[in-house]
Amino acid sequence: AQSVTQLGSHVSVSEGALVLLRCNYSSSVPPYLFWYVQYPNQGLQLLLKYTSAATLVKGINGFEAEFKKSETSFHLTKPSAHMSDAAEYFCAVRYSGGGADGLTFGKGTHLIIQP
Amino acid sequence: ETGVTQTPRHLVMGMTNKKSLKCEQHLGHNAMYWYKQSAKKPLELMFVYNFKEQTENNSVPSRFSPECPNSSHLFLHLHTLQPEDSALYLCASSFSSGSGADTQYFGPGTRLTVL
Repeated sequence: AQSVTQLGSHVSVSEGALVLLRCNYSSSVPPYLFWYVQYPNQGLQLLLKYTSAATLVKGINGFEAEFKKSETSFHLTKPSAHMSDAAEYFCAVRYSGGGADGLTFGKGTHLIIQP
Repeated sequence: ETGVTQTPRHLVMGMTNKKSLKCEQHLGHNAMYWYKQSAKKPLELMFVYNFKEQTENNSVPSRFSPECPNSSHLFLHLHTLQPEDSALYLCASSFSSGSGADTQYFGPGTRLTVL
């Protein structure tokens, strides 16, 4: 079964510091990987996704993620945190099975930005 | 109205009530999904509809009954729920190309409280 592990349920960084949110997946076949963000009282918004076209993926709001097959990882980074980045972040995986398949999500990481 | 909308945004119901959640997508998509988001747990896929046909039922109790009358509307009918069913219910839609790389777009969710 496919699964996603997000290390750290809470991550706290200072404004202007590097943001690193970790995601590891379990897979024996190439996956499709997604990062979503959820602000309070809102649904999920796609930040970026990996679809095998390029290992370094750039997303919205200055975020990017690098797919590392050898480490089965897809960590999310942002060079300089902003107060508006405070939110819940979810890593998700789907395997190429054809048709409409649901996503398997990690438990989420709550990002706290210290002023 | 654009994107994915959900009504109502908040719902409080007793265990003997019958209620329905509504989702509508204005994106021209052909697949729709229900997810459950509970505190301390990952988002759980409940149902998938592709071209109005249910393609996945993720072992969801029968007290949850989905309905997809057309590719733009999705309902979740609720009856005799339990307090542990209290959660945020998220609807999503996508254009299913069969590749697995499709982006799912989420609505804002319905916050359900079962008394």
